[in-house]
Amino acid sequence: KQEVTQIPAALSVPEGENLVLNCSFTDSAIYNLQWFRQDPGKGLTSLLLIQSSQREQTSGRLNASLDKSSGRSTLYIAASQPGDSATYLCAVSRNDYKLSFGAGTTVTVRA
Amino acid sequence: GAVVSQHPSRVICKSGTSVKIECRSLDFQATTMFWYRQFPKQSLMLMATSNEGSKATYEQGVEKDKFLINHASLTLSTLTVTSAHPEDSSFYICSATGGRVYEQYFGPGTRLTVT
Repeated sequence: KQEVTQIPAALSVPEGENLVLNCSFTDSAIYNLQWFRQDPGKGLTSLLLIQSSQREQTSGRLNASLDKSSGRSTLYIAASQPGDSATYLCAVSRNDYKLSFGAGTTVTVRA
Repeated sequence: GAVVSQHPSRVICKSGTSVKIECRSLDFQATTMFWYRQFPKQSLMLMATSNEGSKATYEQGVEKDKFLINHASLTLSTLTVTSAHPEDSSFYICSATGGRVYEQYFGPGTRLTVT
């Protein structure tokens, strides 16, 4: 059974600092990995999707890397802003596209 | 594009009653829909997968007679929590996939509180 772990569980940084969020998974036989953002009491917004054959994806201030062999992914958020405060979820999918989620990292960016 | 809605956003019901939650894909045809449950400060747990016109596939440990899923059309799936109990109180989120099945689009979620 795939297990997804996110460290740290919570993170508080001053505005402008770079954020580094970690995700690890136990079964390297994944189809893809996604990073999502969830605001309190809301649904999920997809941030980045990395196919298993890719090493990284970038979108604006966000960059996600994937090391499938070691079962790790890292989400970098450059120059954090208070609007980046949210919970960030990592999820991996198998060939049948079912997603296995981590518990998330709750980020607070202090103005 | 790729918008998924859920209704209601919040519902409070009494123990023993049934509650229906709707999930709709607004601008695409969803061949597959997924239902998740999220307890506070925990990850989303997949409950079931439904394909239009066929029976849902439930994950291990999820009672199919308690959580009834219907996917009658390519734009609508419903989850009915039957004989709800306080331990069923949770945040229920649906997602839907269209042509590119590896991309799931998530609804805004439904907060269920059973008193």
